Amino acid sequence: DTEVTQTPKHLVMGMTNKKSLKCEQHMGHRAMYWYKQKAKKPPELMFVYSYEKLSINESVPSRFSPECPNSSLLNLHLHALQPEDSALYLCASSPIGGDEQFFGPGTRLTVL
Amino acid sequence: DQQVKQNSPSLSVQEGRISILNCDYTNSMFDYFLWYKKYPAEGPTFLISISSIKDKNEDGRFTVFLNKSAKHLSLHIVPSQPGDSAVYFCAATNTGNQFYFGTGTSLTVIP
Repeated sequence: DTEVTQTPKHLVMGMTNKKSLKCEQHMGHRAMYWYKQKAKKPPELMFVYSYEKLSINESVPSRFSPECPNSSLLNLHLHALQPEDSALYLCASSPIGGDEQFFGPGTRLTVL
Repeated sequence: DQQVKQNSPSLSVQEGRISILNCDYTNSMFDYFLWYKKYPAEGPTFLISISSIKDKNEDGRFTVFLNKSAKHLSLHIVPSQPGDSAVYFCAATNTGNQFYFGTGTSLTVIP
């Protein structure tokens, strides 16, 4: 299984809602990532988890809260988002120190 | 500060011809380089990579060239096909689990 899956594919939420994005991989990768991508821009790194521990937080606002409950799952909890947070949210995984990242298909988030 | 740069936002090529996508980087510590292909509304998919100990890597129609002295790499697609139309991102890493992406080049292959 060389796939990273993400759910949901699309999400529309209001600014007062609480929602979660989910990511799953079964490749045994111990590094997992959240990226945010705006249209026609490269992915922007948000968070990196190594061995289920948060190792990098790229100064992301606290309305985004990541969670890595086990080595296969990565969540991104969303609360009180702003319309400018609307974007494609990508999850990726790689072996620790590995040279290739495997991306999920993304969740298209719209904040009204 | 953008450590990986793709200076051509777009490129149009006739079907059957060669597509050349360019990428420059500033960090001499990068030791592995990747190209990703991205269709609209989808996540990037890995295309081809090259280690800094090589200067060329070929996979079918795709060849990546690395010029370390110039801190430059390029992706050649020969022959180009309409299905190759997508945005191509160059990325670099120093195996520290951080990947730096270029801004992408939108390739259009004209039938």
